[in-house]
Amino acid sequence: AQSVTQLGSHVSVSEGALVLLRCNYSSSVPPYLFWYVQYPNQGLQLLLKYTSAATLVKGINGFEAEFKKSETSFHLTKPSAHMSDAAEYFCAVSEPGYSTLTFGKGTMLLVSP
Amino acid sequence: GAVVSQHPSWVICKSGTSVKIECRSLDFQATTMFWYRQFPKQSLMLMATSNEGSKATYEQGVEKDKFLINHASLTLSTLTVTSAHPEDSSFYICSAPGTGDTQETQYFGPGTRLLVL
Repeated sequence: AQSVTQLGSHVSVSEGALVLLRCNYSSSVPPYLFWYVQYPNQGLQLLLKYTSAATLVKGINGFEAEFKKSETSFHLTKPSAHMSDAAEYFCAVSEPGYSTLTFGKGTMLLVSP
Repeated sequence: GAVVSQHPSWVICKSGTSVKIECRSLDFQATTMFWYRQFPKQSLMLMATSNEGSKATYEQGVEKDKFLINHASLTLSTLTVTSAHPEDSSFYICSAPGTGDTQETQYFGPGTRLLVL
């Protein structure tokens, strides 16, 4: 069975500050890992994904994440937050060969001027 | 590429009526689609896996007679909420896996907000 833990239901940063959203996973097999962003009343948009290639993954909107097997983590970072980054972020895991995703509970990112 | 649409984007209905939600893959074919439900300030919960040309697979605790799923073509899956009640009010989101070298990625529709009065 797989599971995802996102530490912190809410993270607040100032505009221009570093964004760090934490994600830890549990999986019995080497996982595929994803970060999605959801704006209010919208579906999910893929930010980036890890599928067993490079451990440092770059995504859209300046976000990146690093897969650390020893820490079973896949934290999402962005060097400088922008007001438009305010949204809900979901970390998800799947098994290679299977499309079904297991989601974390989400982290709401709040960006203040 | 890999765009998924949903219709309608929101719907309000009276208790006891049925509501149909469509999920379409616009620029790719999807033999499998997924239906999720999301309550306010909560994560997505997988309801069922829709399979083209065969019966859907429902997650434990999801009433298959209440949430009817039909996957009639390679680009369309429908979710019908039968005899809707206020507790069925939620945000319903569908997704489809990509094809080729993106098949491990799910692409999500914009969601349908259902409010049952």
